[in-house]
Amino acid sequence: AQSVTQLDSQVPVFEEAPVELRCNYSSSVSVYLFWYVQYPNQGLQLLLKYLSGSTLVKGINGFEAEFNKSQTSFHLRKPSVHISDTAEYFCAVSDVDTGNQFYFGTGTSLTVIP
Amino acid sequence: DVKVTQSSRYLVKRTGEKVFLECVQDMDHENMFWYRQDPGLGLRLIYFSYDVKMKEKGDIPEGYSVSREKKERFSLILESASTNQTSMYLCASSLKHRVSQPQHFGDGTRLSIL
Repeated sequence: AQSVTQLDSQVPVFEEAPVELRCNYSSSVSVYLFWYVQYPNQGLQLLLKYLSGSTLVKGINGFEAEFNKSQTSFHLRKPSVHISDTAEYFCAVSDVDTGNQFYFGTGTSLTVIP
Repeated sequence: DVKVTQSSRYLVKRTGEKVFLECVQDMDHENMFWYRQDPGLGLRLIYFSYDVKMKEKGDIPEGYSVSREKKERFSLILESASTNQTSMYLCASSLKHRVSQPQHFGDGTRLSIL
């Protein structure tokens, strides 16, 4: 089974500053990668996903992520954050060849400071 | 638009009660999942189901059971609620054997056991 590590549990950042949220996964087998966002008192919404092809993936709300196979990482970035980006962010991984399960990280709480 | 609906947003029950959490999806997805979400622990898989009347244990099934009598409905049952089951519960669905497709989540049920 995969394990997904989000090392930063909380990330405070000033409005209009850039941000990077880190995600590493355990296995080097072929994977699909996802980032989800959770606003307060809501479920998870898909931000972006990597399936194959270009390692730089663009998602909604100006976010992007880069897949790095050698480092088994899928870090999420945004060049300029807004107050409305304050939320919990989850990285998730699924194995291409096995089953139906997804493996989630423990989440990173992003707080944008005015 | 795709929809996963959880029957209650907030629920308060007493210790020892039998509690039912209901989830319905309108996307004709084969897979359905129940997670609980706790601060610092991320999403932990309780049970999942690949098809009607099928169920598989996740990472933390103790104290829970599930029911899938119809494809669109997946119920989580707390047989005898305890205070350590106070949590946010999230239901999700996805296409079978299509781990390239993301899971779709409901808005969650915040359950308090007194």
